[in-house]
Amino acid sequence: GAVVSQHPSRVICKSGTSVKIECRSLDFQATTMFWYRQFPKQSLMLMATSNEGSKATYEQGVEKDKFLINHASLTLSTLTVTSAHPEDSSFYICSANSAPGLAGPGELFFGEGSRLTVL
Amino acid sequence: AQSVAQPEDQVNVAEGNPLTVKCTYSVSGNPYLFWYVQYPNRGLQFLLKYITGDNLVKGSYGFEAEFNKSQTSFHLKKPSALVSDSALYFCAVTWAGGSYIPTFGRGTSLIVHP
Repeated sequence: GAVVSQHPSRVICKSGTSVKIECRSLDFQATTMFWYRQFPKQSLMLMATSNEGSKATYEQGVEKDKFLINHASLTLSTLTVTSAHPEDSSFYICSANSAPGLAGPGELFFGEGSRLTVL
Repeated sequence: AQSVAQPEDQVNVAEGNPLTVKCTYSVSGNPYLFWYVQYPNRGLQFLLKYITGDNLVKGSYGFEAEFNKSQTSFHLKKPSALVSDSALYFCAVTWAGGSYIPTFGRGTSLIVHP
């Protein structure tokens, strides 16, 4: 199956600093990428949908100025947590789909996730 | 609109016994249904999907799921559980005519005891 690489897998930062998480599709072009947040023992919360070359669409309640998403190319999307605080500590997961043909509707390829800890 | 429910937070089963993880859904049109598995501190891995065709869908690692339109269910099953099947399982749904962005259930923790 298609591979999505997410980096870093773990990051620890001080409160007030910014952290960037990268999501790359390695063997396909991802027209759409999704960013999720997952709290312990809870489901995935969709944060935003990003399409290459356009602004991300954020879900209700997600601060777009805090969680900056850039989808600069068909293989790379980045999530930057700006001025991070302890309450931003979480597991962030990206996923991607290609144009129809690689995968059917709704089938996503997931990165391995990034564990963010803000001290 | 679309939603999916996984009524059980946790399922416990003995190794070698059959397992079932339940999922029910609600969509405005024909559903597309998915099962994913997540191991600790990992991303999600695709198990199987139903788009159209046979109601019984076979997937990875010996898992299968049955689409039941009248009961709006898509339960995940395996005839003989392995300890290594212990993980978090997510059901997801989208539908023809929707945005194709799946909605995930809250997840069911499967624990297989030796």
